[in-house]
Amino acid sequence: NAGVTQTPKFQVLKTGQSMTLQCAQDMNHNSMYWYRQDPGMGLRLIYYSASEGTTDKGEVPNGYNVSRLNKREFSLRLESAAPSQTSVYFCASSPSDGSSYNEQFFGPGTRLTVL
Amino acid sequence: LAKTTQPISMDSYEGQEVNITCSHNNIATNDYITWYQQFPSQGPRFIIQGYKTKVTNEVASLFIPADRKSSTLSLPRVSLSDTAVYYCLVGGLRGGGGNKLTFGTGTQLKVEL
Repeated sequence: NAGVTQTPKFQVLKTGQSMTLQCAQDMNHNSMYWYRQDPGMGLRLIYYSASEGTTDKGEVPNGYNVSRLNKREFSLRLESAAPSQTSVYFCASSPSDGSSYNEQFFGPGTRLTVL
Repeated sequence: LAKTTQPISMDSYEGQEVNITCSHNNIATNDYITWYQQFPSQGPRFIIQGYKTKVTNEVASLFIPADRKSSTLSLPRVSLSDTAVYYCLVGGLRGGGGNKLTFGTGTQLKVEL
């Protein structure tokens, strides 16, 4: 049971390049999330998917797109990377089974640098 | 989403009890209070969650007064390994739309010998 996995762990891009960050969870969770964390700051929600087939914007969605490929996988795409997108990206999942509030389980993160 | 305010940093020594207070004046009726811990280069990890009064688990206690406008995370007898950033979050499941969490800057706890 690996929990939440993310690939790659590290990535360096040039401005204008595109890439997709992959996330997968093996806990049969309904909801998945993408956050970014800049140095010395808390996490900010980029996009989330409440259930398979649905996605919605979070606090900082500009410059990103997401795909909920199936219940296990939730990818984050940068179509044209910018230096302002240099950050650590965390994927998370939660059961969201209808109870009032659920714990979120986080992956190890992807450290992205855009030159 | 309710905004939270917590101290930027705290220092403690091994073996002491640490209390971190978070204020959330505009907490909504449906909101729960949750605390996460984050070590450097790792994702946050859930510590404890509560709605009102007191909640205790094997690692921490959470005290929530009746008005729910603040909460206090209590870590008994901290050790060096408790050095981390602690986040107070307020949020809840609304209309089946998923848990939208707002992380503040957190409290950097430093534990020394």
